[in-house]
Amino acid sequence: EDQLVESGGGLVQPGGSLRLSCAASGFTFSVYNMVWVRQAPGKGLEWISYISSSSSPIYYTDSVRGRFSISRDNAKNSLYLQMDRLRVNDTAVYYCARRAFGWGDYGLDVWGQGTTVTVSS
Amino acid sequence: QSVLTQPPSVSGAPGQRVTISCTGSSSNIGANFDVHWYRQLPGTAPKALVYGNNHRPSGVPDRFSGSKSGTSASLAISGLQADDEADYYCQAYDSSLNGPVFGGGTRLTVL
Repeated sequence: EDQLVESGGGLVQPGGSLRLSCAASGFTFSVYNMVWVRQAPGKGLEWISYISSSSSPIYYTDSVRGRFSISRDNAKNSLYLQMDRLRVNDTAVYYCARRAFGWGDYGLDVWGQGTTVTVSS
Repeated sequence: QSVLTQPPSVSGAPGQRVTISCTGSSSNIGANFDVHWYRQLPGTAPKALVYGNNHRPSGVPDRFSGSKSGTSASLAISGLQADDEADYYCQAYDSSLNGPVFGGGTRLTVL
């Protein structure tokens, strides 16, 4: 079964840093483009970053550009999100998701269970 | 404000048919990018329901169907069941943002 498992969430003070990880299993991770999506408490889904299978290109939504950094290690079947200068409104559940092949534009066919990031003093 | 607009809530009785709309713009749905739909049960991750406007992933019953026209798309759910209660999200690629955008989500209540 194709699976994604996030880890690394937790409680951090404003201005702090966290590194999220997403471990892939059951499929050839190295050929898939990946994204991070977050969901603030009681809110909808928000895409925050994209990385291609080869790590280029990379894109960010405006609210995290310059503070967050996406990366991957295909040898370790892992996706990462380095989050610096965290703000209270970065509080959310963070999901990694796989961009599907053959699903048209940007369909996301496999999602992790999410990891919770809480930014609070 | 989400880039794609959905009604906050819809409801229907068991067995009825409901539709959820999703309105975008010329940089996403109107640019002929595909629309996808996800269902999210409380406390769980989203799960794909419809992809590429009107295709269902393996295992999704044909009670769920999608359509697209112009800058809008719709998800129809027929034969409503109690366990259809969930949040539903539309999603499309946006060329001005270089990434996927989502609707704000629609809470479906089965009366």
